[in-house]
Amino acid sequence: AQSVSQHNHHVILSEAASLELGCNYSYGGTVNLFWYVQYPGQHLQLLLKYFSGDPLVKGIKGFEAEFIKSKFSFNLRKPSVQWSDTAEYFCAIDGFNKFYFGSGTKLNVKP
Amino acid sequence: EAGVVQSPRYKIIEKKQPVAFWCNPISGHNTLYWYRQNLGQGPELLIRYENEEAVDDSQLPKDRFSAERLKGVDSTLKIQPAELGDSAVYLCASSLGSRRRHTEAFFGQGTRLTVV
Repeated sequence: AQSVSQHNHHVILSEAASLELGCNYSYGGTVNLFWYVQYPGQHLQLLLKYFSGDPLVKGIKGFEAEFIKSKFSFNLRKPSVQWSDTAEYFCAIDGFNKFYFGSGTKLNVKP
Repeated sequence: EAGVVQSPRYKIIEKKQPVAFWCNPISGHNTLYWYRQNLGQGPELLIRYENEEAVDDSQLPKDRFSAERLKGVDSTLKIQPAELGDSAVYLCASSLGSRRRHTEAFFGQGTRLTVV
């Protein structure tokens, strides 16, 4: 069965700290990978995506993620977070044009 | 470019009453999704349309939920009758994807349903 696991439900960081959010998935086939972000009061927005090619992908606002096929992982990273990064982050996989989401990680960045 | 538009943003109804949500996808997007997001969880797919055809409705509770996408553009999701457990945010998304082509999904702001 297809599934996405996000291990950190709530992360609290100070500004300028580094961020890494874990995402592992289970899917029996070729998969496309995404990170979506939901800022307070706003809709889900795409942060970055991986379809093929270089497993290190860069997204908006300084975020990047690395696809490690052998570990079924797609962790999100940012070297230095800002207060404006406070949001909820969702990892998602696309199998056969059907998106599966993780349960989300709430990031709270303290100024 | 306008995004995915949903209405209403909020809805409070009594249990056993009917409710309907409306979605207008991004122009030209052939695929439309309805998701339900419970508190503290990620979105879960209810139904997916490619044009007018519902290609995946395996997660839709068909005894009380129904959906339609007339002319392959706007879509309506209905619950009748609503139950307390239906309280959630209902998200609509659209994409240019298909079973042969993959792209990202674009989401609306959702309708927050509270059943009392």
